Amino acid sequence: GAVVSQHPSWVICKSGTSVKIECRSLDFQATTMFWYRQFPKQSLMLMATSNEGSKATYEQGVEKDKFLINHASLTLSTLTVTSAHPEDSSFYICSARDPTSGQETQYFGPGTRLLVL
Amino acid sequence: GESVGLHLPTLSVQEGDNSIINCAYSNSASDYFIWYKQESGKGPQFIIDIRSNMDKRQGQRVTVLLNKTVKHLSLQIAATQPGDSAVYFCAAPYSSASKIIFGSGTRLSIRP
Repeated sequence: GAVVSQHPSWVICKSGTSVKIECRSLDFQATTMFWYRQFPKQSLMLMATSNEGSKATYEQGVEKDKFLINHASLTLSTLTVTSAHPEDSSFYICSARDPTSGQETQYFGPGTRLLVL
Repeated sequence: GESVGLHLPTLSVQEGDNSIINCAYSNSASDYFIWYKQESGKGPQFIIDIRSNMDKRQGQRVTVLLNKTVKHLSLQIAATQPGDSAVYFCAAPYSSASKIIFGSGTRLSIRP
């Protein structure tokens, strides 16, 4: 149980375009999902907390207008990187909590590698 | 602010030996800790967790030890195998939003 998927697994886009990344909880309903980005050889950096049915909470320094988050259902959160630039190239990873587990463990998706040319 | 971090960025062990990865945390109020394993190009994978009312928890080939006095925890991997090669993170949720702050990871490499 507690499987989280992401789509796409990798994407290459031109500078200035927007890219949408999906995060799904496959066997549980997640009221809260989290989005991270990870640069090579670095740790995961939390970008935002995605709450079903409400606005996302962004970490300090993360531009909410650039990284649009939508959590329209209990199993799906999307991250849209708007007007992507080469510096946005990174590994984007989502995670979700299973609220029925009674634990605060987050289960992670496989990640989406974004390359902006 | 809160911090969770590992002591060593890299660790090299002989295949078959035991591995010990250490982690320190700063918030004495932290009551739940998680170890994740991240293989190259993949998302972190849950390994084992421990609550602050315990000082030891065992899983399959892994043991987590928690020392609240010095705010330290460790992950022990028994009979390390090539498949254990990865970056290991300790993590502690904080705030009512259950956000997790990741420390810097330890890259475990296995010598044949």
